[in-house]
Amino acid sequence: EAQVTQNPRYLITVTGKKLTVTCSQNMNHEYMSWYRQDPGLGLRQIYYSMNVEVTDKGDVPEGYKVSRKEKRNFPLILESPSPNQTSLYFCASSLRRGGVLEQYFGPGTRLTVT
Amino acid sequence: DAKTTQPTSMDCAEGRAANLPCNHSTISGNEYVYWYRQIHSQGPQYIIHGLKNNETNEMASLIITEDRKSSTLILPHATLRDTAVYYCFRDAGGTSYGKLTFGQGTILTVHP
Repeated sequence: EAQVTQNPRYLITVTGKKLTVTCSQNMNHEYMSWYRQDPGLGLRQIYYSMNVEVTDKGDVPEGYKVSRKEKRNFPLILESPSPNQTSLYFCASSLRRGGVLEQYFGPGTRLTVT
Repeated sequence: DAKTTQPTSMDCAEGRAANLPCNHSTISGNEYVYWYRQIHSQGPQYIIHGLKNNETNEMASLIITEDRKSSTLILPHATLRDTAVYYCFRDAGGTSYGKLTFGQGTILTVHP
């Protein structure tokens, strides 16, 4: 079954404690990205990756890091989490088919930073 | 600088058509318009997309104005399960990838 998986699904942590949210896709897609979702602000892209070792900033990259060492994995790293990073995070995997963008989203990770 | 603008919220009676507008006045000729929806806090799911012509699939219809500056997503017979956040966004076709901007979306509430 084609899917995007994220782990963990829920996480409560404290300010300053480094954490990693994993994202994996089994569709051999080149493009992957991370979004955060906050009330009233909709979905905002954090980082994206166009292929292995190619990443770039989205609209809200501050406080986050990513890496793309393998095509299937795109982890999101918070080196020193702060309460303003409390949010719902989505990973997405995409391909272009005939010029049209097909995006598949993971189930989400709800992060609380105290 | 929002690439698309949508109303914050809308209501619709069950069984009636829900018409969700999206403004994309600065859209370029090669950009598609896409619609996604998000039920509760699940991952967004694709609904429909279009370039110039109106489109219909089993979920919805998409009407794009002739000047392509706005579009309307139509759910012909809304049900309670259509209560969700609906996002419209635009993306240039072709073979390259880039930053994607979704925006705030419209919270659609379908009531009995």
